[in-house]
Amino acid sequence: EAGVVQSPRYKIIEKKQPVAFWCNPISGHNTLYWYLQNLGQGPELLIRYENEEAVDDSQLPKDRFSAERLKGVDSTLKIQPAELGDSAVYLCASSRRSGGDEQFFGPGTRLTVL
Amino acid sequence: AQSVTQLDSHVSVSEGTPVLLRCNYSSSYSPSLFWYVQHPNKGLQLLLKYTSAATLVKGINGFEAEFKKSETSFHLTKPSAHMSDAAEYFCVVSEGYGGSQGNLIFGKGTKLSVKP
Repeated sequence: EAGVVQSPRYKIIEKKQPVAFWCNPISGHNTLYWYLQNLGQGPELLIRYENEEAVDDSQLPKDRFSAERLKGVDSTLKIQPAELGDSAVYLCASSRRSGGDEQFFGPGTRLTVL
Repeated sequence: AQSVTQLDSHVSVSEGTPVLLRCNYSSSYSPSLFWYVQHPNKGLQLLLKYTSAATLVKGINGFEAEFKKSETSFHLTKPSAHMSDAAEYFCVVSEGYGGSQGNLIFGKGTKLSVKP
């Protein structure tokens, strides 16, 4: 079975520009996660979706970050406007359900903000 | 709140020698614990998980970990390191209650280097 797909793999933008990341989870996985991984750190959860509903977005900086999963399948994470401190790897993961099922991770999108 | 502490940011071993990556956890509940591995430019991969069954958990690629409640530890071991084991390893605890149940909390990672 195909794994979690993310695009683009790399993105370089100027500060104050918008940027979007796309994620297609494993087929049949109802739960989708977006994580932020800073250099030398472990991933930190940004948002969790159960189907199309964002059930945990407590760690998402809502002033500049937004996410959607309109049909309960693929998802987009957006930053507008980007700041220098947003340079990081953005990881997407999916699982059949939440509550302890194994999460499968995509390769991530490495964002560089100049 | 749950948390994990990885005691070493970098571990270096010679090929063929044992590997020990240390992790302590903090949890008010009986935790679910995981080890993930991240190779450069690849996605995180689950090595093994503990969910209150056997305290000695066997994973992929010859890795295993032992859950020790008295020491609040979940150290990762492998009897003999291989060059392909060089990667970043993350100890992870799963949130156990409420709306965050199932959310993963990662440690800061341990970079494993394997010398020929």
